[in-house]
Amino acid sequence: GAVVSQHPSRVICKSGTSVKIECRSLDFQATTMFWYRQFPKKSLMLMATSNEGSKATYEQGVEKDKFLINHASLTLSTLTVTSAHPEDSSFYICSARGGASGIYNEQFFGPGTRLTVL
Amino acid sequence: GQQVMQIPQYQHVQEGEDFTTYCNSSTTLSNIQWYKQRPGGHPVFLIQLVKSGEVKKQKRLTFQFGEAKKNSSLHITATQTTDVGTYFCAGHLGSARQLTFGSGTQLTVLP
Repeated sequence: GAVVSQHPSRVICKSGTSVKIECRSLDFQATTMFWYRQFPKKSLMLMATSNEGSKATYEQGVEKDKFLINHASLTLSTLTVTSAHPEDSSFYICSARGGASGIYNEQFFGPGTRLTVL
Repeated sequence: GQQVMQIPQYQHVQEGEDFTTYCNSSTTLSNIQWYKQRPGGHPVFLIQLVKSGEVKKQKRLTFQFGEAKKNSSLHITATQTTDVGTYFCAGHLGSARQLTFGSGTQLTVLP
């Protein structure tokens, strides 16, 4: 199956700093990538959808200036959490979808990044 | 609020017992996908159903999509300890382009 990597897998940072998370599709071209946030024992909440070469579409309630998303190539999307605060601590997961067969393709998930803001 | 609900939220079964999780949507779904997330891991795609009333099987797992395309179920026969994890349904609500995940059912299998 398709492989999606995420880096870093775990990050601890001080409040006020910015953190960048990378999501890469390793063996396919991902026309669309998704960023989710998951709290302990909770479901995945979609934060934003990014399409290569265009601006990301953010879900309601997600601050676009705080969670900067860049999808510069068909294999890489980045999420930058700017001026992180303890309430931003969470498990961030990206997923990627190839575009050949339309929007109902399965999504391949990265291993996730656990962010802890002190 | 959560538009795709799953019940039960938690289920403990003895190894060898059957298990079923139910997924219900307030809106018609264009498709339904099922994912499994092991503790500490990330969601892994299991299957997709598209047609009304569709039933698919994967070894001990049986997936159903309701006639009205508003509900789905996952049934595991004779559970094993390797089945432990959280099972999520996910689907496209109406013509929405994004996938909406269900609330998940956490399965514990006691040896």
